[in-house]
Amino acid sequence: GIQVEQSPPDLILQEGANSTLRCNFSDSVNNLQWFHQNPWGQLINLFYIPSGTKQNGRLSATTVATERYSLLYISSSQTTDSGVYFCAVVSSGGSYIPTFGRGTSLIVHP
Amino acid sequence: DTAVSQTPKYLVTQMGNDKSIKCEQNLGHDTMYWYKQDSKKFLKIMFSYNNKELIINETVPNRFSPKSPDKAHLNLHINSLELGDSAVYFCASSHRGRASGNTIYFGEGSWLTVV
Repeated sequence: GIQVEQSPPDLILQEGANSTLRCNFSDSVNNLQWFHQNPWGQLINLFYIPSGTKQNGRLSATTVATERYSLLYISSSQTTDSGVYFCAVVSSGGSYIPTFGRGTSLIVHP
Repeated sequence: DTAVSQTPKYLVTQMGNDKSIKCEQNLGHDTMYWYKQDSKKFLKIMFSYNNKELIINETVPNRFSPKSPDKAHLNLHINSLELGDSAVYFCASSHRGRASGNTIYFGEGSWLTVV
């Protein structure tokens, strides 16, 4: 099946800093989503982005499908950004089942 | 108003017991899923259910069985619970094969502790 690798595994920031999270995948995809799992365990949809660039406030994401990677940018980080960020992909091979990376654990200190 | 809801949110039970977790979605999706999140936060697919087609992850013990009375519900039944079954179980749903992609939505999770 498709392999999904996220980096870095852990990230510690001071409030106000910017960061880039990366998601590499091993096969072509027709769906890619970024999620934020907050400290209470909720999985929150951030972006549906199988290709191109999207922005939502301080967050933006870019997927370069031909090179099989996606980036999530967090600008001016806040303590509420803490949690785990997951990338999930659906392979174009037809399984339809979203496969998750192992996540990037982000801690933002005040 | 909750799009994907699952109950119970917390469950503490003894080894050997049988338990069920219920899931309902009101999004009109045709595909539902169960994921298990282990202590290292890894989200692993257990089952996918689409229009009576069940796709099972072969690594899931047969003590786990999904039951779908209709396409808005996918319940998870677990027999003979073991300590290693302690985890967070997430239900999710999507619209499979949609041209705009099958964006997946998650419930809030069910924290299972086996003692």
